[in-house]
Amino acid sequence: QSVLTQPPSASGTPGQRVTISCSGSNSNIGSNTVEWYQQLPGTAPKLLIYISNQRPSGIPDRFSGSKSGTSASLAISGLQSEDEADYYCAAWDDSMNGPVFGGGTKLTVL
Amino acid sequence: QVQLQESGPGLVKPSQTLSLTCTVSGASISSGGYYWSWIRQHPGKGLEWIGYINYSGTTYYNPSLRGRASISVDTSKNQFSLKLTTVTGADTAVHFCARGRWFGESQGMDVWGQGTTVTVS
Repeated sequence: QSVLTQPPSASGTPGQRVTISCSGSNSNIGSNTVEWYQQLPGTAPKLLIYISNQRPSGIPDRFSGSKSGTSASLAISGLQSEDEADYYCAAWDDSMNGPVFGGGTKLTVL
Repeated sequence: QVQLQESGPGLVKPSQTLSLTCTVSGASISSGGYYWSWIRQHPGKGLEWIGYINYSGTTYYNPSLRGRASISVDTSKNQFSLKLTTVTGADTAVHFCARGRWFGESQGMDVWGQGTTVTVS
């Protein structure tokens, strides 16, 4: 059972905009920034978003993040087939002194 | 270009100790502002933080592991290692090492190893 809560699945058609939600508590999202990771099948996770809404170099601006209170969301616009992957949210947890993750959302591009 | 590579046995017997090493290239493991983590992923499941060691040698572990994990660093080899004692089948997972950034706040884990599968049987 993951500390952060994500929907298990999401889907969209090419070109569409999809959002994935992430819910936490005061000890994690409520008091720290949020990260999002993309994991393609059989590969390591890749950092997509950090400090809730910043993109590392090389990440397209189709990916955006936001945070409000104890919740966060990842938006993907102009959906592409290569976006089909598992997406994980994460946040530092003050009570654990380390990062906690969501259970992951499997994104299907129809 | 920073790269991380995990190494260690792929098969461990129940009740024994799982030992993995992560070799860092392209960056110094002693650099300030970074922490060095172990993350695992059970088959078909999500990500679970195991623990980390920061640039000053301080370690933190996931409380769910009940003291079974320990992380150490060998600066001469630019490596950090994980030991997990008294393993059971529930410890079967893909294990990743990763570099985390900390500049006043967490800025995510930006470099990951490819992952190594450890089976307890």
